[in-house]
Amino acid sequence: GAVVSQHPSRVICKSGTSVKIECRSLDFQATTMFWYRQFPKQSLMLMATSNEGSKATYEQGVEKDKFLINHASLTLSTLTVTSAHPEDSSFYICSTTGIGNTIYFGEGSWLTVV
Amino acid sequence: QKEVEQNSGPLSVPEGAIASLNCTYSDRVSQSFFWYRQYSGKSPELIMSIYSNGDKEDGRFTAQLNKASQYVSLLIRDSQPSDSATYLCAVGILGGYNKLIFGAGTRLAVHP
Repeated sequence: GAVVSQHPSRVICKSGTSVKIECRSLDFQATTMFWYRQFPKQSLMLMATSNEGSKATYEQGVEKDKFLINHASLTLSTLTVTSAHPEDSSFYICSTTGIGNTIYFGEGSWLTVV
Repeated sequence: QKEVEQNSGPLSVPEGAIASLNCTYSDRVSQSFFWYRQYSGKSPELIMSIYSNGDKEDGRFTAQLNKASQYVSLLIRDSQPSDSATYLCAVGILGGYNKLIFGAGTRLAVHP
């Protein structure tokens, strides 16, 4: 079964609204969570790194006020896309390091903004 | 800017043939390298990881790493139609606690 649970798997929202995506580590603590975005036929692009108990660090070109990241506990990191627009429609996916230094990915979330 | 380059393909091979996927990276100090398989709309699945120069074999898959040339490849022997997917090369950022930089991916099509 999944060791990193991500949901929702698919979400459609109206332009201007906000959407929250959650990633939860199961049976282990995730002090760091990486958030990636993937547009159709393109690769995964790292957006930000969330750290439990501290502010997230964002990659160049990623708006921190638009993509709010919260990592309030050792098992949960959330990404909120605020004031979503159609160009934010993408596949969002999280990853973290688990037992044995293994990298685990969430199942991914398809966001469609209409 | 750290970069990972892959030929986007598609790479088309007949069933039973060897598929060869290539990747180059720009950060000379990189130490960890990964090949992922991704089906459309799904999460990446780890195929191989490699950390030392040379070859690493796992079943039908062989990863090859040459740090001097900043080159990593993946060979798939006895290719099957079910291997048809996008293969992503990823490089770990030194000190980045498993933060990965991905290539654009190579689409592999194995035809019967």
